[in-house]
Amino acid sequence: DAKTTQPPSMDCAEGRAANLPCNHSTISGNEYVYWYRQIHSQGPQYIIHGLKNNETNEMASLIITEDRKSSTLILPHATLRDTAVYYCIVRPPSGNTGKLIFGQGTTLQVKP
Amino acid sequence: ETGVTQSPTHLIKTRGQQVTLRCSSQSGHNTVSWYQQALGQGPQFIFQYYREEENGRGNFPPRFSGLQFPNYSSELNVNALELDDSALYLCASSIPGTAAYEQYFGPGTRLTVT
Repeated sequence: DAKTTQPPSMDCAEGRAANLPCNHSTISGNEYVYWYRQIHSQGPQYIIHGLKNNETNEMASLIITEDRKSSTLILPHATLRDTAVYYCIVRPPSGNTGKLIFGQGTTLQVKP
Repeated sequence: ETGVTQSPTHLIKTRGQQVTLRCSSQSGHNTVSWYQQALGQGPQFIFQYYREEENGRGNFPPRFSGLQFPNYSSELNVNALELDDSALYLCASSIPGTAAYEQYFGPGTRLTVT
């Protein structure tokens, strides 16, 4: 599975966009990029995933570069409740094996 | 729709003892994965169960074992507890078989080994 690199921490002002980067330079052609977040004392929560194209859902947008070696998770209007550890994960479409390899993630602190 | 639930929420065990943790998967999900999360670290994959059989295992010793029942609920058993087993144990359920699918995590069980 490809390895990901994320900054250990980031700050964002409440109401502003939070842009969380992730490098995955060894990603293979069939590997998806997933983002999860973990709010303190809770289990991880799925946010979004993508393969090649940019994706958007009710929580966030995912921008994947054309060469797929990096991506950015965008929270368009961050709130205090978005303070969490954000994990970028790459994994292949593995059929029945749901193994996720979590790194250290990025701790996002949203400030008033 | 009921989410993933885990029990107990917290427990304290003594080194050398055995522990069983329980997980009920989200409605309709037939696959359960277990993760161990040490303090300040990301979750580490222990193993996954699909249709009552182990289907993938991480780098954990055999004293970590599991079961999945016909209703898709699952148990994680840890024998001969060690101090380093102190962690948050997370259960996640999913529906496999698609090219990409998300996992839904429970709130976890906090295990302290003294």
